[in-house]
Formats: sequence, structure tokens, C-alpha cells
Amino acid sequence: EVQLVESGGGLVQPGGSLRLSCAASGLTFSNYWMSWVRQAPGKGLEWVATIKQDGSEEYYLDSVRGRFTISRDNARNSLSLQMNSLTAEDTAVYSCWGVVLMGPHFFDYWGQGTLVTVSS
Amino acid sequence: EIVMTQSPATLSVSPGERATLSCRASQSVSSNLGWYQHQPGQAPRLLIYGASTRATGVPARFSGSGSGTEFTLTISSLQSEDFAVYYCHQYNKWPSWTFGQGTKVEIK
Repeated sequence: EVQLVESGGGLVQPGGSLRLSCAASGLTFSNYWMSWVRQAPGKGLEWVATIKQDGSEEYYLDSVRGRFTISRDNARNSLSLQMNSLTAEDTAVYSCWGVVLMGPHFFDYWGQGTLVTVSS
Repeated sequence: EIVMTQSPATLSVSPGERATLSCRASQSVSSNLGWYQHQPGQAPRLLIYGASTRATGVPARFSGSGSGTEFTLTISSLQSEDFAVYYCHQYNKWPSWTFGQGTKVEIK
């Protein structure tokens, strides 16, 4: 059974930092593009960042570029998101998401998410 | 950025009825379009990819169509478990993906 389990969420003050982690099991982690997606309260899904299978390329939502850093450790089957200079607009449930394309076929797995609350 | 616009925002449907959800892309995404079902407190579930291919285990009452900029998700006969929020997702601009804002399918 594939599992993606996030951790590291919590309450942080504006301007603060937080590091999220995602532990993966049951899949060949190094085959998957890994991403973070968030959902703010009462809002829809928003893609945040993606890292290539070998970690050589990173992509970010414009509003988080320069503040967030995505990274992965394929030896440990883990994904991380370092979040700095947090604002209230970053308050959301953050989920890790693994995607692979095999020819025309799209496969993905999601974690359940971890809540990040930015508030004084 | 490719903007995905879904309509309607909310769809009220009776069980057993047909539901038709729309998604429009701000530029062509070819057939690189997926649909997700999202229940509160659960992970999103992939229903459709490639605009029209059902993901593994998805019931045949879910179907997708369209290409380019206009897409449709049809649920032929709504079951109680189908009341949820549905998102379209473009993966043509890899991997700067974007989601639509969602359509909530609620019980009429």
C-alpha cells in the first residue's frame, strides 16, 4: 500500500519559518515528480512547488518563489518543504503529491496533509 | 500561467440525475487535463486523465471529454458518494501545474 505521510505543520507567527516533511512508502519514490499542494480554508487546491525525480530541477508558484524551498532525499524516500517569511496568506493544509507519467498514463498519490497556520 | 476556470461554482443535483461540469483553459492544454474528486478531510482522488481516460477503479458513470481549451466531466447518474468538490487540473505546462477553482456538487 502506498503511503505519503506529512508532518511538521503547526502554528507560526508572521515572518517565521517552518519545515514540512513527507515520508513515502510503498512506491518507487525516485520515479515520481514530487510536489506540494495546499488548500487554504474555504479555498480550492493550489499547486505550490515541484521537484524532479533526481532533484535536479525545482519549480515554484510565483507567490512562494524565493521564500519556499522544496527538496528530496531519494535514499530516505522523503520530501521536504522549507517555508520562510511566512504570511497569513500561507495558512493552509499542505499535502505532498507524487506524479508519474508512463507514456500517456498518469498516476498519482496524495498524502492527507498537514495544517500550517500563520498567525500572531 | 495557465488559468483554469470551472463552471458552475455549485451544482445542485438530485441522486440519480446527470451532472455536467465544465472547465476552460486560458490557452490550449491539448488533452493534458485531469479531473479530481475531493471529499472533506480526504486526499483528492484522480478520476480522469488525458481528458477522457478513467483512472484505475473509477466507475463508468464518470466520463470526460474535450481537448484544447474546453473540457467536460459528466457523471451519468449521481450516487450519494459522488457529492463532493471536483477540480480540473492541467498538466500540459509541465510541471507548473494549475487547478481550477472547483465545482461543488451538492444534493438538491
